Amino acid sequence: TQLLEQSPQFLSIQEGENLTVYCNSSSVFSSLQWYRQEPGEGPVLLVTVVTGGEVKKLKRLTFQFGDARKDSSLHITAAQPGDTGLYLCAGDDYKLSFGAGTTVTVRA
Amino acid sequence: DAGVIQSPRHEVTEMGQEVTLRCKPISGHDYLFWYRQTMMRGLELLIYFNNNVPIDDSGMPEDRFSAKMPNASFSTLKIQPSEPRDSAVYFCASSLNRFSPLHFGNGTRLTVT
Repeated sequence: TQLLEQSPQFLSIQEGENLTVYCNSSSVFSSLQWYRQEPGEGPVLLVTVVTGGEVKKLKRLTFQFGDARKDSSLHITAAQPGDTGLYLCAGDDYKLSFGAGTTVTVRA
Repeated sequence: DAGVIQSPRHEVTEMGQEVTLRCKPISGHDYLFWYRQTMMRGLELLIYFNNNVPIDDSGMPEDRFSAKMPNASFSTLKIQPSEPRDSAVYFCASSLNRFSPLHFGNGTRLTVT
């Protein structure tokens, strides 16, 4: 049983479209991290959110931490083929637990 | 900074053989983590070390798995004997301190036939 549930599991969209990935849990986390993983490589940190309600932007990516610090979302505006990858959320409750990830494919 | 270095990148072995995976963390990082990634179970934490001392090994599947960190620049994960269900990608990661983000290596893809 995953402590963190990510949805959807797979997402395939056309270049230029927007997408949102969700990360939900029944547990409260002191912080939540988002990573992106490309084939044959390890996950790479995108952002860390700490405060409930916090919103962080990284170019076309917007990350939000839920008010209760139990959930988070990642929104990508005008997706590009370079955004293709496995997006993982990870919650910190004394040790980092990862969700199963959302595989995003952006078609040119 | 060379990042976290893992070896080998690929390992193919027969059931019953011993497998040793190696990791060199980023210099100065106090924490080292071993994760296993499969399609079915995602990324699972196996064990982590702080200042070379194992802190939590509750994720280690069974006694066939063991991990050591003899010094700050080297860690091993050993599986003996290996089984087909151990096939996965094994990642090592390190972090500066308890609250820092993880830096992952590129993993070792293990196939046990």
